Amino acid sequence: DIQMTQSPSSLSASVGDRVTITCRASQGISNSLAWYQQKPGKAPKLLLYAASRLESGVPSRFSGSGSGTDYTLTISSLQPEDFATYYCQQYYSTPPLTFGGGTKVEIK
Amino acid sequence: QVQLQESGPGLVKPSETLSLTCTVSGGSISSYYWSWIRQPPGKGLEWIGYIYYSGSTNYNPSLKSRVTISVDTSKNQFSLKLSSVTAADTAVYYCARGGYDFWSGYYGNWFDPWGQGTLVTVSS
Repeated sequence: DIQMTQSPSSLSASVGDRVTITCRASQGISNSLAWYQQKPGKAPKLLLYAASRLESGVPSRFSGSGSGTDYTLTISSLQPEDFATYYCQQYYSTPPLTFGGGTKVEIK
Repeated sequence: QVQLQESGPGLVKPSETLSLTCTVSGGSISSYYWSWIRQPPGKGLEWIGYIYYSGSTNYNPSLKSRVTISVDTSKNQFSLKLSSVTAADTAVYYCARGGYDFWSGYYGNWFDPWGQGTLVTVSS
């Protein structure tokens, strides 16, 4: 199994801040990585796939980068609606498809 | 716009079989991967398995002995059965469609869209 480790597990930030979340895979996943946003009581929402491809309709303040085993989700200017939990997911190797443990972004 | 909706009992007794159905509307079930994912209360996401529209399946090894996923293309539905449930199977269960990259024409296993989720509690 490919293990996905997200860091930090939580962070506090202010509106307008630049936020970076990291996801590390236990082996190379060749950019086969997706990022999701989940708000309380709601299903996750796809933000990016193929590590850096922005899903249609997702604001351009979200971006992704990385290669090999290390990947990053960046929110360039945090907005009030961005306070949520973020998950990474690898789809390079199955079974199983695996998620990171999540990063909760809270208001400072 | 494709929408997914889970349905099924919200309460299942220990040792019994959990059964859920996902109905796909606004699009065909053909040509995509269709997954079940669960999330225990307050915890992270766990992929259960997927079925391709043709019927081929792939399951999480941690659940494989208890899971069956099937598809009914005539009804635009796919279903999950999880046998011998325990309290550890209490979770919100989501169905989701696999992704499609228009640039490459590649059908992949990221998830979009998702159903709203349904809470299944295992309790006597």
